[in-house]
Amino acid sequence: EVQVVESGGGLVQPGGSLRLSCAASGFTFSDYFMDWVRQTPSKGLEWVGRSRSQLRSFTTQYAASVTGRFTISRDDSQNSLYLHMHSLNTEDTAVYYCARGPYCTSTKCDPSPFDLWGQGTRVTVSS
Amino acid sequence: DIQMTQSPSTLSASVGDRVTLTCRASEFIGYWLAWYQQKPGKAPNLLIYEASTLESGVPSRFSGSASGTEFTLTISSLQPDDSATYYCQQYNSYSLTFGQGTKLEI
Repeated sequence: EVQVVESGGGLVQPGGSLRLSCAASGFTFSDYFMDWVRQTPSKGLEWVGRSRSQLRSFTTQYAASVTGRFTISRDDSQNSLYLHMHSLNTEDTAVYYCARGPYCTSTKCDPSPFDLWGQGTRVTVSS
Repeated sequence: DIQMTQSPSTLSASVGDRVTLTCRASEFIGYWLAWYQQKPGKAPNLLIYEASTLESGVPSRFSGSASGTEFTLTISSLQPDDSATYYCQQYNSYSLTFGQGTKLEI
C-alpha cells in the first residue's frame, strides 16, 4: 500500500525540541521531494518545509516562520523523513502532516501538488 | 509569499445543486494550482491539479478552471459526501501557500 505515516508528536514545553518522523512505503521514496505541512484552526494549512531528492542535491527549504528553528532531513535507505523542531513556541501547536511532493525522473523534477498525505501527528506546545 | 484568497468562507447548498468555489492568487501563478478536499479529522485529499486536471479516482462532477489569477472549483451536482472544507494551493513559487478554505455544508 502506498502510504506515509507520521509519528513523534506530543506535548512539549515552550523552548523545547521535538523530532517528528515520517515512514514511507509502497513507492520509491528517493524519487520524490517530501514536505511537511501543518494545520491549526486559526491559520489553516501552512507549508512548513521541503526536502528535495538526490537529483536536486537533497536541498531543503523552509517557511519563514520556522527558518532557523526547524530542520528537515531524510534517510532514503530507511524511506524516512524527519522534522527536527527547536525553540518551539505556542504558535507551533498544530497537526503536522508529511506529504509527498514532486516526482523526479533521471533528468528533471516537474512541479506538482501533494498527492499523498499521512494521517498527521499532533504537536502541542504548552507549559 | 503569494497570497491565496478563497471565497466564500462558508457555503450552504442542497443535494443536486451546482456550486462554484473561487480562489484568487495575489500574483500570476500560471496553472500551478491544486484543490483539496478535507473532512474533519482527516488529511486533505487532492482533487484537482494544474488548475483543471482531475486526480485519478475523483468523481467527474468535480471540475476546475482558471482565468488569469482567478481559479474556480465547480461541483456539478452536489452529493451528501461532498460536505467538507475545500482548499486551494499554489505550487508555482518556492514558498508554497494555501487558501484559508471554503467550508461547504450540504
